[in-house]
Amino acid sequence: QSVLTQPPSVSAAPGQKVTISCSGSSSNIGNNYVSWYQQLPGTAPKLLIYDNNKRPSGIPDRFSGSKSGTSATLGITGLQTGDEADYYCGTWDSSLSAGGVFGGGTKLTVL
Amino acid sequence: QVQLQESGPGLVKPSQTLSLTCTVSGGSISSGDYYWSWIRQPPGKGLEWIGYIYYSGSTYYNPSLKSRVTISVDTSKNQFSLKLSSVTAADTAVYYCARGELDRRCSSTSCLVGHWFDPWGQGTLVTVSS
Repeated sequence: QSVLTQPPSVSAAPGQKVTISCSGSSSNIGNNYVSWYQQLPGTAPKLLIYDNNKRPSGIPDRFSGSKSGTSATLGITGLQTGDEADYYCGTWDSSLSAGGVFGGGTKLTVL
Repeated sequence: QVQLQESGPGLVKPSQTLSLTCTVSGGSISSGDYYWSWIRQPPGKGLEWIGYIYYSGSTYYNPSLKSRVTISVDTSKNQFSLKLSSVTAADTAVYYCARGELDRRCSSTSCLVGHWFDPWGQGTLVTVSS
């Protein structure tokens, strides 16, 4: 059971837009910054978004992040077949059991 | 650019200790304000943060694994290592090393933590089986 909650799967057609949600609590998302990772099949995760909405160098602006309260959202526009992957949200949990936490992951299918 | 590479046995017997090393290239493990981290992913499942070490040797572990985990650093070899004791089949996973950022930022009213991992090693599968 992951600390952060993500939908198991989402799907959309090429060229369309999709959003992936990540829900937490006041001890994690509510009071810390959120990051997002893309894991292509058989590869290591790759940082897509950090500090809620910042993109590392080389990440296209088709990928965006936002946060409101205890939830965060990853948006992907202009979907491509190469975007088919698992997506994970992550943050720091400041509770008594403090540490890094992740969502359970969302499988994106580009139909 | 910084690259990380995990190495170690791919098969460990139950009750024994899992040992992995991460070699950092393209940058010094002693430079910068980074937290050198271990993360694992059981087959078909999500990510679990194991812990991190700062170049000075200070560590922080996932509370659920703390009693079994030791992370150490060898700055002379530009490596950091993971030891996980008393392993069971539940510890079977792909183990990743990654460079972590842990940035606490405070305003007049609150403090927020920025925490992310970039880059990651390619990962190594460790199977716990007799």
